[in-house]
Amino acid sequence: GAVVSQHPSWVICKSGTSVKIECRSLDFQATTMFWYRQFPKQSLMLMATSNEGSKATYEQGVEKDKFLINHASLTLSTLTVTSAHPEDSSFYICSARGGGYTFGSGTRLTVV
Amino acid sequence: AQSVTQLGSHVSVSEGALVLLRCNYSSSVPPYLFWYVQYPNQGLQLLLKYTSAATLVKGINGFEAEFKKSETSFHLTKPSAHMSDAAEYFCAVSGGNRDDKIIFGKGTRLHILP
Repeated sequence: GAVVSQHPSWVICKSGTSVKIECRSLDFQATTMFWYRQFPKQSLMLMATSNEGSKATYEQGVEKDKFLINHASLTLSTLTVTSAHPEDSSFYICSARGGGYTFGSGTRLTVV
Repeated sequence: AQSVTQLGSHVSVSEGALVLLRCNYSSSVPPYLFWYVQYPNQGLQLLLKYTSAATLVKGINGFEAEFKKSETSFHLTKPSAHMSDAAEYFCAVSGGNRDDKIIFGKGTRLHILP
């Protein structure tokens, strides 16, 4: 079946640095990629939607300059958390749309 | 716009008992509906989905859900709970169009009592 590879699975970074999270669709073309954020013991909140070759559409309240999304190809999308702060610590999950919805395994980001 | 409401943030059932997790949806267009399961510190696993075909949907691990338009519900059931079913369950909805986003409910933590 369809597989989305998300890396890294966990990362610890210092406050003020940037972190890049990658999601790759391994055996299908992801025309649309969704990025979610999940706080501990809470639901998944949609951050943004990106279509290949286009600018991402951000949900209300999500800082587009802080959470940079790139979807340059049909198999790769990246989320970069810029100038990370401890409040950005969270679980980030991507979802690729290409005939169905396939989720990555998530990235646990801890900012210290 | 679409939304889902999951009734009960925590549900406890005894091992071997019926599992019933409730979900009601709101959608301005014919919805696609999903149930996902999440184990601690892991991603999401799709249990089943409704995409306007049969209203009774069978999924993995013995789970099934029934789409009831008159009740705007999509409750998840399993006849006999196993200890391994303990996890977080999310009901979700999308509008079904090509680029429609999935909107998740707040989740229900299922506890299995020995």
